Amino acid sequence: SAVISQKPSRDICQRGTSLTIQCQVDSQVTMMFWYRQQPGQSLTLIATANQGSEATYESGFVIDKFPISRPNLTFSTLTVSNMSPEDSSIYLCSVEFPSATPIETQYFGPGTRLLVL
Amino acid sequence: GENVEQHPSTLSVQEGDSAVIKCTYSDSASNYFPWYKQELGKGPQLIIDIRSNVGEKKDQRIAVTLNKTAKHFSLHITETQPEDSAVYFCARGGGSNYKLTFGKGTLLTVNP
Repeated sequence: SAVISQKPSRDICQRGTSLTIQCQVDSQVTMMFWYRQQPGQSLTLIATANQGSEATYESGFVIDKFPISRPNLTFSTLTVSNMSPEDSSIYLCSVEFPSATPIETQYFGPGTRLLVL
Repeated sequence: GENVEQHPSTLSVQEGDSAVIKCTYSDSASNYFPWYKQELGKGPQLIIDIRSNVGEKKDQRIAVTLNKTAKHFSLHITETQPEDSAVYFCARGGGSNYKLTFGKGTLLTVNP
């Protein structure tokens, strides 16, 4: 089965700084997504990372705060910009594989645990 | 809308007992219903899913049932073991978009 990895696994950051989170898959995927999971809460979709074009953001999330890149079929980054303590969360990437049944099945990475002081 | 209600929020059972978690959804166009297990410090793991053309699916001790008319689906875990302790999330997909909408999660504790 494919491996989905995220870097860093966790970080402690100062407010006002930015952190870039990487998501790497060891095989090609069709869709890549970024979620936020606030402490003790459910998963909220931030955006869909589109290869070669701008990401599609959900209501309440904007590109200036969460810029996303997806340069190829196996890699994406999410940047959390100008961080505040309210950004302390788990950030998760998920992917869909072209061979999955059904096709919309999403598989998650291990997550990046971010604490902003 | 695409809301998903999940109950209960916490569930405590004795080892060997069964556990049932229920979810209801509002979008009648939903056609895909996955369940995820999230252990502490890990990402959600897909454990079972079902499509709307099937009423029930089973995989060893785990089963999912779907009632499209009533718009609810349930996760059943039989012969629970301490390693089943985790947070379980239901989700729905399909309809007008490809995105998943998640329930708020159920913290399952299996007491040895």
